[in-house]
Amino acid sequence: RKEVEQDPGPFNVPEGATVAFNCTYSNSASQSFFWYRQDCRKEPKLLMSVYSSGNEDGRFTAQLNRASQYISLLIRDSKLSDSATYLCVEGNFVFGPGTRLSVLP
Amino acid sequence: DAGVTQSPTHLIKTRGQHVTLRCSPISGHKSVSWYQQVLGQGPQFIFQYYEKEERGRGNFPDRFSARQFPNYSSELNVNALLLGDSALYLCASSPGRGAYEQYFGPGTRLTVT
Repeated sequence: RKEVEQDPGPFNVPEGATVAFNCTYSNSASQSFFWYRQDCRKEPKLLMSVYSSGNEDGRFTAQLNRASQYISLLIRDSKLSDSATYLCVEGNFVFGPGTRLSVLP
Repeated sequence: DAGVTQSPTHLIKTRGQHVTLRCSPISGHKSVSWYQQVLGQGPQFIFQYYEKEERGRGNFPDRFSARQFPNYSSELNVNALLLGDSALYLCASSPGRGAYEQYFGPGTRLTVT
């Protein structure tokens, strides 16, 4: 069975902290990965795609480790507005259960 | 540009009834996917439609069906509703058939009593 696993958290961090989430996947043939964020009772919104070479968008960095079959998301200088659930997605439509982040003042 | 729209926003049905949920994708997007999300879990894939044909199906019973229209809008139908069908039903559109970025609608919250 193809699955995506994430630590459900919650991760409670102070403003300004750096936090990292990992996500493991089982389908070694997958070529595409994504991170979405989902606010409480809202729809998921695309945060970033994950490329083989890794990619960065402002305070957010995503990495792919094919040998160990995991992807990571690093958030630097956390803001209160980063509080949300972060969902990782493998290939065609396989979502992880999400990791909840709470950034505290 | 308008995003993905879904209707209705909320729905309350009784066990055994039938429900139809509707979705309009972003203009120019030809792929629509449907997901079920139960509280505390990630979205579970139900169907993908691309160019009006079913291109993928998740592990859901035959009570679940869908279709896509010539204008790329889509309907999800669920027959013989069970209490366990209570969930948020999300529609996502993307430009192509493969593993592209997906853009979600606000969802339809279905409650089965």
